[in-house]
Amino acid sequence: AQSVTQLGSHVSVSEGALVLLRCNYSSSVPPYLFWYVQYPNQGLQLLLKYTSAATLVKGINGFEAEFKKSETSFHLTKPSAHMSDAAEYFCAVSSNSGYSTLTFGKGTMLLVSP
Amino acid sequence: DAGVIQSPRHEVTEMGQEVTLRCKPISGHDYLFWYRQTMMRGLELLIYFNNNVPIDDSGMPEDRFSAKMPNASFSTLKIQPSEPRDSAVYFCASSFQQGWTEAFFGQGTRLTVV
Repeated sequence: AQSVTQLGSHVSVSEGALVLLRCNYSSSVPPYLFWYVQYPNQGLQLLLKYTSAATLVKGINGFEAEFKKSETSFHLTKPSAHMSDAAEYFCAVSSNSGYSTLTFGKGTMLLVSP
Repeated sequence: DAGVIQSPRHEVTEMGQEVTLRCKPISGHDYLFWYRQTMMRGLELLIYFNNNVPIDDSGMPEDRFSAKMPNASFSTLKIQPSEPRDSAVYFCASSFQQGWTEAFFGQGTRLTVV
């Protein structure tokens, strides 16, 4: 069984501030971890993924995430928020165990103020 | 490739009517997923196919929902009869394989049942 918990349904930051979106996972086997972004009235788009190579993963639009096995975490960060980053962000977990599918967290809405 | 294509983008129907949502996956992808997104429940996996065969439909809410994949380039999700609580955004996604490869999402179909 696998699950994802995203802390905070809404996160507000000012433009130029650090973005930190939290994700903790639960998996009985080594996980694959993903962050997706959803802009209004759009589908989900992959930001980055961890697939057991480097623990620090860089994605598009300046985002990165670090896999920490000891903390079962995969938090998403960006050093400086931009207005265009305002969207909903989803953390997801999968594995290579049989027919494993993506399990999504509830999502975190990122609000960026000028 | 044009990505995952869903139609229609918006559907408004009366309670009791049959609704059919359509999806064209990315060519070459052998997994296809149907998700439902609501404010209350987030993203839920309804059913997924591998090589046109339904693998897991445990997420289908009830017998009013059915999905088919007659060939590698087309899938439908049907609701008959529709109810107001079926109102949601329905996403189709496809991927090469499970586990470490990401799923690519369509733009979604926003269904409103009145």
